[in-house]
Amino acid sequence: AQSVAQPEDQVNVAEGNPLTVKCTYSVSGNPYLFWYVQYPNRGLQFLLKYITGDNLVKGSYGFEAEFNKSQTSFHLKKPSALVSDSALYFCAVRDIYGNNRLAFGKGNQVVVIP
Amino acid sequence: NAGVMQNPRHLVRRRGQEARLRCSPMKGHSHVYWYRQLPEEGLKFMVYLQKENIIDESGMPKERFSAEFPKEGPSILRIQQVVRGDSAAYFCASSLGDRETQYFGPGTRLLVL
Repeated sequence: AQSVAQPEDQVNVAEGNPLTVKCTYSVSGNPYLFWYVQYPNRGLQFLLKYITGDNLVKGSYGFEAEFNKSQTSFHLKKPSALVSDSALYFCAVRDIYGNNRLAFGKGNQVVVIP
Repeated sequence: NAGVMQNPRHLVRRRGQEARLRCSPMKGHSHVYWYRQLPEEGLKFMVYLQKENIIDESGMPKERFSAEFPKEGPSILRIQQVVRGDSAAYFCASSLGDRETQYFGPGTRLLVL
């Protein structure tokens, strides 16, 4: 079964500092990996995805994520956090040989402190 | 270019009533997915549909829940005889193809009194 783990409940970071949100995954084959962001009372917005190719993936709003196969991780990063980045971040995975369902982590609340 | 649309955004039902949630996919998308988000939890897959076909309903509760995506009109998630435990946010997503990125709607927040 495919799954992801987001080990931290909340990530606090000062505005202007680097932001990292951690994600590890488990799939039977090669993974498709995704990051989404959810603002209060809103739907999920797609940030970026890893399918194949370069391990460093660049996405929307200055975010990037690094795929690490040996550590089965796909951490989300941003070099300089903004207050407006405060939101709930979800990592998701699907098996490229399986069905289309996404398995989501429980989410990380990011709080950027002015 | 409209995104995924869901209505209603908020729905209040009393125990035993029926809830109907609607989802219109992005223009050109023929693949629709429904997910449920319980309080303090991530999203859980419910069902995957293409036009007039249920492809994967492995995440649907065995009773009271059904979904359809007719040839014309929106996808419908139907919950019969709602119970308090059905209170959650229900999100619809759509994709262009079966291995493409899923784009999510704003969700329907169901409250069962």
